Amino acid sequence: LAKTTQPISMDSYEGQEVNITCSHNNIATNDYITWYQQFPSQGPRFIIQGYKTKVTNEVASLFIPADRKSSTLSLPRVSLSDTAVYYCLVGDNGSARQLTFGSGTQLTVLP
Amino acid sequence: GAVVSQHPSRVICKSGTSVKIECRSLDFQATTMFWYRQFPKQSLMLMATSNEGSKATYEQGVEKDKFLINHASLTLSTLTVTSAHPEDSSFYICSAYSTSGGATDTQYFGPGTRLTVL
Repeated sequence: LAKTTQPISMDSYEGQEVNITCSHNNIATNDYITWYQQFPSQGPRFIIQGYKTKVTNEVASLFIPADRKSSTLSLPRVSLSDTAVYYCLVGDNGSARQLTFGSGTQLTVLP
Repeated sequence: GAVVSQHPSRVICKSGTSVKIECRSLDFQATTMFWYRQFPKQSLMLMATSNEGSKATYEQGVEKDKFLINHASLTLSTLTVTSAHPEDSSFYICSAYSTSGGATDTQYFGPGTRLTVL
């Protein structure tokens, strides 16, 4: 299983764009990159998933360079309610392989 | 789409009793479900992988006789904590793997169950 490395914590202010970068140097050819958000005492919530280049949905964008050894989750115009832990995971979706959670990034949005 | 529920959301029990937690995929079928445990201020730790119609696969260090997993249907997996002790108090989270066409193929998580053993 590919290991991921993320910053332990980040602070931002309301209305700013936040970029969280994840390193996954040992990503395998079949691995997808998935990001989850977790609030205290809740299960992780799926945010976005991608394989290469750029993926965008209604809540975030995911940027993946050509070598796929890292990825960046971009949250536009964050609000206080975006304060949460964000996890970056890599895994082979085709085989429903287990995901290994790293320490995640605690994002704190300040007023 | 891809909604997963858990029941109960929280449970308090006496030491030595058994507790059953249900995990259901509400709008999709899941041949594979996963059970995680999360202690305060820590990340999720995978306990076991549950496959419909077969025995669960447990991670190293997880006692299979203490944490009984049953995945009897494509929408239901249960985790039974047998003879619970205070050190089993934790936040238990399940996930279900979705390959249905309406949602991204990935794991979708339940809301979690807070277990407190007195």
